[in-house]
Amino acid sequence: KAGVTQTPRYLIKTRGQQVTLSCSPISGHRSVSWYQQTPGQGLQFLFEYFSETQRNKGNFPGRFSGRQFSNSRSEMNVSTLELGDSALYLCASSLDRGTGGNTIYFGEGSWLTVV
Amino acid sequence: QKEVEQNSGPLSVPEGAIASLNCTYSDRGSQSFFWYRQYSGKSPELIMFIYSNGDKEDGRFTAQLNKASQYVSLLIRDSQPSDSATYLCAVGGFKTIFGAGTRLFVKA
Repeated sequence: KAGVTQTPRYLIKTRGQQVTLSCSPISGHRSVSWYQQTPGQGLQFLFEYFSETQRNKGNFPGRFSGRQFSNSRSEMNVSTLELGDSALYLCASSLDRGTGGNTIYFGEGSWLTVV
Repeated sequence: QKEVEQNSGPLSVPEGAIASLNCTYSDRGSQSFFWYRQYSGKSPELIMFIYSNGDKEDGRFTAQLNKASQYVSLLIRDSQPSDSATYLCAVGGFKTIFGAGTRLFVKA
């Protein structure tokens, strides 16, 4: 069974540009979450999608957005990139959200460098 | 108060010793608890999860949960240098919240 797949794995962008990251969840998983990880801030929750609907959102500016497609694949977009957006962006999927919480499985991440 | 708190470490233990990693959480309604291991430059990987009070063992790893004290821990027996990593505690309820992680160093 394939794991969570993220593309691209590495990318370099210039300040002011925008970037789109893609995530394919584990087959059958309907919940997709996105996290930003930087050395000083740890894992920061961006947002979670379930059945094409954003169910949870972290404390990030509106420059960060996402969406989920009918096949559960998800994309996140960052517009007007800033140097501080340089980070590892992790996508994670789980079977269902539910109130009991569900095991989250991570992709290998997309390393974004903004210069 | 952070929702999920971990000692950032680093925690240093000699090879063969028991490493004890601790985590506290603030939401009493939390129902599921996870431990992830993250090597430098890699993504987090699930070690184990626990839902009920008490201990859960898996090989050299034991997770302990005390909901009354809002406390969850991970014990690593016979620690190996390959266990050196950052260990993330995660607490699930309406959403999953991660702690900042504890860095573990196992000295050979």
